[in-house]
Amino acid sequence: KAGVTQTPRYLIKTRGQQVTLSCSPISGHRSVSWYQQTPGQGLQFLFEYFSETQRNKGNFPGRFSGRQFSNSRSEMNVSTLELGDSALYLCASSLWPDGPVEQYFGPGTRLTVT
Amino acid sequence: QKEVEQNSGPLSVPEGAIASLNCTYSDRGSQSFFWYRQYSGKSPELIMSIYSNGDKEDGRFTAQLNKASQYVSLLIRDSQPSDSATYLCAVPSAGSNYQLIWGAGTKLIIKP
Repeated sequence: KAGVTQTPRYLIKTRGQQVTLSCSPISGHRSVSWYQQTPGQGLQFLFEYFSETQRNKGNFPGRFSGRQFSNSRSEMNVSTLELGDSALYLCASSLWPDGPVEQYFGPGTRLTVT
Repeated sequence: QKEVEQNSGPLSVPEGAIASLNCTYSDRGSQSFFWYRQYSGKSPELIMSIYSNGDKEDGRFTAQLNKASQYVSLLIRDSQPSDSATYLCAVPSAGSNYQLIWGAGTKLIIKP
């Protein structure tokens, strides 16, 4: 079974621009979570989607948004990029509540804002 | 108080020794617990899940759960340099639709 895929893997953007990241979960997984990770920092939870609905949201400004499509693929968008948005953005999928709650991660998208 | 706490380390262990990583959590209702390994620049990888009090062994890895004391630990026997990584503890939060709550991670360094 294919794992979680994320595109693009690397991205360089300029302050003020916007960016869209994509995530395809493991087949059959309907829950998709997004995290931000900066150097030396733990995983910061952004949001989680299940069946096209946002169920949980972390403490991030409204510039960060996401959505999920009917095939469970998800996108996140960051508008008006700031230097501090440079980070590794991770997507994880889970079978929950259709199965175990553990999450499986994609390789991440490394975003650099200059 | 953080919901899931780990010692950030780094924890330095000689090759061949036992590495012991600890995690405490605040939600007494938690029923499942997970250990992930994250190599530098890579994404986290699930290495152990534990649901019941006691020990669960998988190869060189043993997870230990004590719900009364609200801690879960990970032991790595015969530590290898390839075990050098950051180990993350995660616990589902019943109050958040079972979204995983993450510890900050413990950096483990295995010295050859």
